[in-house]
Amino acid sequence: EDQVTQSPEALRLQEGESSSLNCSYTVSGLRGLFWYRQDPGKGPEFLFTLYSAGEEKEKERLKATLTKKESFLHITAPKPEDSATYLCAVSPGTSYDKVIFGPGTSLSVIP
Amino acid sequence: DAGITQSPRYKITETGRQVTLMCHQTWSHSYMFWYRQDLGHGLRLIYYSAAADITDKGEVSDGYVVSRSKTENFPLTLESATRSQTSVYFCASSEDTYLVYGYTFGSGTRLTVV
Repeated sequence: EDQVTQSPEALRLQEGESSSLNCSYTVSGLRGLFWYRQDPGKGPEFLFTLYSAGEEKEKERLKATLTKKESFLHITAPKPEDSATYLCAVSPGTSYDKVIFGPGTSLSVIP
Repeated sequence: DAGITQSPRYKITETGRQVTLMCHQTWSHSYMFWYRQDLGHGLRLIYYSAAADITDKGEVSDGYVVSRSKTENFPLTLESATRSQTSVYFCASSEDTYLVYGYTFGSGTRLTVV
């Protein structure tokens, strides 16, 4: 069964304290892995798409990496405005029109 | 502004009533999706559409129907609302199946069934 898990469930960081969020997936092939940011009361906002192991993408303080079984979202020197829930999602190779979302990691960055 | 607009933003309805959630996008994206988001379950796919007049069921489609007569509109109807359908509903769109830019989501509709 296709599945996406994320850890930790919640993370509190001091401003400037770098860390990583994990996304582990079990799918029948992988067409793409996606990271989204979701602020309270809003819809998810697209961050990155990764297609193959070894690929990396960066945006400001965020860097996403991909291996064959997991992805990491590295947050370097976070600021309070980085506080949000970060969602990981995968598109299995068996179904181009299906995307499976993980439960998310709630990140709080304390000033 | 261009984007995805969902309406209403909040809705309270009674058990057994029919309710329709609206979704409108301005990009002419081919693909549109309805998800529900619940604590402990994350985002789950209800229905999706690859083009006007083409729709298909997702993981949790029971009790819901959709239509897509025009590319830009994708309404979701709860035929007879139940308390288990209390949730936050998100509409999303994408321009292709490679998802280079992922999905674009609306702001959501918070539905409460009493």
